[in-house]
Amino acid sequence: QKEVEQNSGPLSVPEGAIASLNCTYSDRVSQSFFWYRQYSGKSPELIMSIYSNGDKEDGRFTAQLNKASQYVSLLIRDSQPSDSATYLCAANFGNEKLTFGTGTRLTIIP
Amino acid sequence: DTGVSQDPRHKITKRGQNVTFRCDPISEHNRLYWYRQTLGQGPEFLTYFQNEAQLEKSRLLSDRFSAERPKGSFSTLEIQRTEQGDSAMYLCASSLGWGREAFFGQGTRLTVV
Repeated sequence: QKEVEQNSGPLSVPEGAIASLNCTYSDRVSQSFFWYRQYSGKSPELIMSIYSNGDKEDGRFTAQLNKASQYVSLLIRDSQPSDSATYLCAANFGNEKLTFGTGTRLTIIP
Repeated sequence: DTGVSQDPRHKITKRGQNVTFRCDPISEHNRLYWYRQTLGQGPEFLTYFQNEAQLEKSRLLSDRFSAERPKGSFSTLEIQRTEQGDSAMYLCASSLGWGREAFFGQGTRLTVV
């Protein structure tokens, strides 16, 4: 069973600080990794994709991928109350479908 | 680009009734996916289409579930003889191709009473 693991949280971070979200996956053949943000009662919204080892930055978001250690992380700089949401990590295990973790609930404290 | 559109947004049905959901993908996307999400869980894969061909179905998709994508455009997901365990958010997503970003619609929240 190919899996994606996330700490369910909740993770509380003060406003303006860096939020760090982590995800591990079980299969070394994984090629594509994605972070989605999901507000309560809403559908997932894609915020980052990463395909190769290293860092990828987009505004306040940085995704980090380490294929040797089989983990992917998301850093959110200058956290805002609007960043409070559940963050879903997803991996493509060499097939068409995405496998999701259970999500990490992030709360930004004003 | 109007995004992925799903209809209806909410559906309440009595146990045993049939329901049908519709998904309109992003127009240039040839991959269309259906997922199901229950409270506290990540989305779970149900099935996907490449153009009009249904190429994979999860074992989660019992015989009561059927999906179609006629002419490779919009897709429908039908659940026959609904059960309370079918209550969930049904999500549709589309993408340009293998391994590419998938974009989700607003979802259809099904409640079976």
